[in-house]
Amino acid sequence: GQQLNQSPQSMFIQEGEDVSMNCTSSSIFNTWLWYKQDPGEGPVLLIALYKAGELTSNGRLTAQFGITRKDSFLNISASIPSDVGIYFCAGQLFQGAQKLVFGQGTRLTINP
Amino acid sequence: DVKVTQSSRYLVKRTGEKVFLECVQDMDHENMFWYRQDPGLGLRLIYFSYDVKMKEKGDIPEGYSVSREKKERFSLILESASTNQTSMYLCASSSPTGRLNIQYFGAGTRLSVL
Repeated sequence: GQQLNQSPQSMFIQEGEDVSMNCTSSSIFNTWLWYKQDPGEGPVLLIALYKAGELTSNGRLTAQFGITRKDSFLNISASIPSDVGIYFCAGQLFQGAQKLVFGQGTRLTINP
Repeated sequence: DVKVTQSSRYLVKRTGEKVFLECVQDMDHENMFWYRQDPGLGLRLIYFSYDVKMKEKGDIPEGYSVSREKKERFSLILESASTNQTSMYLCASSSPTGRLNIQYFGAGTRLSVL
């Protein structure tokens, strides 16, 4: 099945640093989602993006829907220990599609 | 708040056993999903159900079956568990209405097959 290419696969940073991760695909997507999975829990939605070029913020998180509709990035500013976890991008291929395509995930580790 | 509940957080089974993973959602969602999560592979769709008694194969259905007899409940069945089915299993639900088909996840079941 189709997957999104998410990078980096893992990040080790110091508390207070900014974080950037992205997702790319050879296919055009209708919408992009970013999820976070805390250790031992299921993924939880962080940000949803609906149209090309859209830039959306949620607190210290900012995500953008690429203008080509084939990519998206997520930035986290001034990281804190509770940002630790796995971040997944997900895409909806066309309007009305019931399934999502997921990236491989970015595992974020923060050194205090 | 949407709640998706998976019946077990951890399971240990033996090779060849029949294994049932249960998932219940309380938001009257039409869609329910079973994923498998492995390091470096992300979430891979096993099966998808869009209505009671309706199901559709995902990307990796081999070795699995599902049952949806009631709208709120979606079961994943491993007919004869094998060691390569040791993994984290995630259930999700969503509604096809609205602007975006957001999926809501349960906490996961970590299955070990010995």
